[in-house]
Amino acid sequence: AQSVAQPEDQVNVAEGNPLTVKCTYSVSGNPYLFWYVQYPNRGLQFLLKYITGDNLVKGSYGFEAEFNKSQTSFHLKKPSALVSDSALYFCAVRSNTNAGKSTFGDGTTLTVKP
Amino acid sequence: DGGITQSPKYLFRKEGQNVTLSCEQNLNHDAMYWYRQDPGQGLRLIYYSQIVNDFQKGDIAEGYSVSREKKESFPLTVTSAQKNPTAFYLCASTQGGVNNYGYTFGSGTRLTVV
Repeated sequence: AQSVAQPEDQVNVAEGNPLTVKCTYSVSGNPYLFWYVQYPNRGLQFLLKYITGDNLVKGSYGFEAEFNKSQTSFHLKKPSALVSDSALYFCAVRSNTNAGKSTFGDGTTLTVKP
Repeated sequence: DGGITQSPKYLFRKEGQNVTLSCEQNLNHDAMYWYRQDPGQGLRLIYYSQIVNDFQKGDIAEGYSVSREKKESFPLTVTSAQKNPTAFYLCASTQGGVNNYGYTFGSGTRLTVV
């Protein structure tokens, strides 16, 4: 079985400040981890992934995420938030032994205020 | 440009009607997925298909049906047995097997029961 938890429904930050969106996971085998972003009434867009290798992964739009195996976490970060980063963010996981479906978290709404 | 096309963008269904949502991809992806998104509940998997002429039920398959007669197409039928079909429906695709390194999503179909 595999699962994802995004403990915060909402994250608010001021523009220019660093942001963190939290994600923890549970999976059998080695995890493949993903972050997606969704703007209103749109599909999800891929941001970044961790498959193997360096624990710090860099993705689109200046986002990065750090894989922490001992804490089973994959938090999304950005050093300086923009108002345009305001959106709904989803973390997803699948096991390296599962060639099929990913499991998604419930999403975190990020609001960046000017 | 390669991508996934979902149609229609908005769909209205009367009580007791079956409706079919279209999903077409030109990415040459093997696997395709249908998710349902409700406010505050994240994405829930309805059906998925990893190869032509084969598909599996996801977590909430009751009241839905699919077919996969062509690699490019994975239509979803919402039947009259689905008691609460109002939701945002997302189709996704990915390379099959161990090369499943993240999904590409369509722009979604918003279904409303009237």
